[in-house]
Amino acid sequence: EDQVTQSPEALRLQEGESSSLNCSYTVSGLRGLFWYRQDPGKGPEFLFTLYSAGEEKEKERLKATLTKKESFLHITAPKPEDSATYLCAVQAGKRGSQGNLIFGKGTKLSVKP
Amino acid sequence: NAGVTQTPKFQVLKTGQSMTLQCAQDMNHNSMYWYRQDPGMGLRLIYYSASEGTTDKGEVPNGYNVSRLNKREFSLRLESAAPSQTSVYFCASGSRAGGQGDIQYFGAGTRLSVL
Repeated sequence: EDQVTQSPEALRLQEGESSSLNCSYTVSGLRGLFWYRQDPGKGPEFLFTLYSAGEEKEKERLKATLTKKESFLHITAPKPEDSATYLCAVQAGKRGSQGNLIFGKGTKLSVKP
Repeated sequence: NAGVTQTPKFQVLKTGQSMTLQCAQDMNHNSMYWYRQDPGMGLRLIYYSASEGTTDKGEVPNGYNVSRLNKREFSLRLESAAPSQTSVYFCASGSRAGGQGDIQYFGAGTRLSVL
């Protein structure tokens, strides 16, 4: 069964304190791994797509990496405005799924000034 | 460019009432999706539409129906609402119609309470 597990569930950082969020997955034929950011009361906002092990993508203070079993979202010198819930999702390759995404439960990040 | 627009933003229903959640996208995407999000659980797919004129069940379709009215609009109907359907509902549209790397763009959500 395709599955996505994110850890930790919640993470509290001081401003400037770098850390990483983890997304472990088991999926039959990975077609893509997605990171989204979700602010309270809003819909998920797309951040990155990764397709193959070894791939990395960066955007401002965020860097996403991918291995065959997991992905990390590294946050360098975070600011309070980085506080949000970060969602990981995988797109499986099995037939009939129409490329549907399977989401993890998310990591709630709080950055204190 | 509005992206994905959902209406209403909030709704309170009594058990047994019916309602339709509306979703429209202006990105010319072929695929559209309906999810629900509950505390402590990830987004779960209710129904999706890979293209105009087609719809398919997702992970949690029971108690819901959908209509792909045209390429822009995808509605979700609750025929007889139950308290278990209290949730936040998100509509999304996909850039590559289920192809590799199909990035989904989400609306702001509809917060539904069923009493």
